[in-house]
Amino acid sequence: QKEVEQNSGPLSVPEGAIASLNCTYSDRGSQSFFWYRQYSGKSPELIMSIYSNGDKEDGRFTAQLNKASQYVSLLIRDSQPSDSATYLCAVKGPYNQGGKLIFGQGTELSVKP
Amino acid sequence: KAGVTQTPRYLIKTRGQQVTLSCSPISGHRSVSWYQQTPGQGLQFLFEYFSETQRNKGNFPGRFSGRQFSNSRSEMNVSTLELGDSALYLCASSLEVDPANTGELFFGEGSRLTVL
Repeated sequence: QKEVEQNSGPLSVPEGAIASLNCTYSDRGSQSFFWYRQYSGKSPELIMSIYSNGDKEDGRFTAQLNKASQYVSLLIRDSQPSDSATYLCAVKGPYNQGGKLIFGQGTELSVKP
Repeated sequence: KAGVTQTPRYLIKTRGQQVTLSCSPISGHRSVSWYQQTPGQGLQFLFEYFSETQRNKGNFPGRFSGRQFSNSRSEMNVSTLELGDSALYLCASSLEVDPANTGELFFGEGSRLTVL
């Protein structure tokens, strides 16, 4: 089992729709969770971080964390063609076990005009 | 404010050679992490340095090594290159001093290594 798993996609949504990206992780002791966006040919950039159960909203983005289910998600409302990119889920393991930041394989999102 | 700077951006080596990649973090950032990115494996963690000390290490062979200098600049070295080492090597820096919170990374543009 991979430490951080995401559906590779591609996920295709029409412009204006809600895009839902999901991520599961294996280490129940993980404490910190992040979403990065990577445009083709570019480096990853941080878009959201979440540390406690529940929802965290930032503009059109909402991160959701459920530690009991070991599940993190990212919702993008009113999707735009400029949101087309690969979205990477990253999970930081427990510090007493090294605290490595592990990335999932990424989900490719395509927003169609 | 300058971002994370990686050099060289592109390089071509042959099997058996060694390579050194350099990374200058954002001013004030003391944590530097290195990742290998390939289409098949995605982003794989190599190591993390903080205040010249390796704080974390991924599951790569000993051919992969790194170090950090007193000015927080970091280098990574790959010896005895193999074809499978062809990848984009990304360096990222973080402002956080608490290792529990060094997940908010700022990435450089990467060094693309091709091994022939």
